Amino acid sequence: GAGVSQSPSNKVTEKGKDVELRCDPISGHTALYWYRQSLGQGLEFLIYFQGNSAPDKSGLPSDRFSAERTGGSVSTLTIQRTQQEDSAVYLCASSIGGGLAGDEQYFGPGTRLTVT
Amino acid sequence: DQQVKQNSPSLSVQEGRISILNCDYTNSMFDYFLWYKKYPAEGPTFLISISSIKDKNEDGRFTVFLNKSAKHLSLHIVPSQPGDSAVYFCAAHRLGAQKLVFGQGTRLTINP
Repeated sequence: GAGVSQSPSNKVTEKGKDVELRCDPISGHTALYWYRQSLGQGLEFLIYFQGNSAPDKSGLPSDRFSAERTGGSVSTLTIQRTQQEDSAVYLCASSIGGGLAGDEQYFGPGTRLTVT
Repeated sequence: DQQVKQNSPSLSVQEGRISILNCDYTNSMFDYFLWYKKYPAEGPTFLISISSIKDKNEDGRFTVFLNKSAKHLSLHIVPSQPGDSAVYFCAAHRLGAQKLVFGQGTRLTINP
């Protein structure tokens, strides 16, 4: 009955390396979202999954970013050839789904990514 | 293109007084608005929401007001308590989309 979990909580990587961030949504939630928060900014939408498919990828900033979701549960966000501007807190959220406006999104604690 | 704006990066209020956090938006297609609260090192947690067909929603100490003609909403917290110290994000949902569009956040500090 736990909430949304994310791992790792912190990640420091060298510029040019690939990183994978993991999200475990609340059990039974069909919708999953990735956002990121850069320093001093609001949350920026990256991608939305309904089940295993991603009907909205409009927020992915470049083709270095990709995400997948398997079994309608765990999702992985991969950033290839990381750049310093990728440094941010990456937040995952899940919701019951169904497309309703009042479908509350529950957030995980985030992964703080630092690219040196 | 910042569709949701919170123009005050910070706000300081005395304990027991009213806290008023403001949010402006530009997209008239938004049909639902939400406020989230965020403590350091934690994810945002849902606080209160309002449908675009309403102008007020109240939940305990928290009330959200929506002025559609002005494209403005506000969150009132009364009385303010030390535990209310956090960053507050305004978010909007557009009809037909799933994602939320967030403002930049306002850091609220409640002083004893």
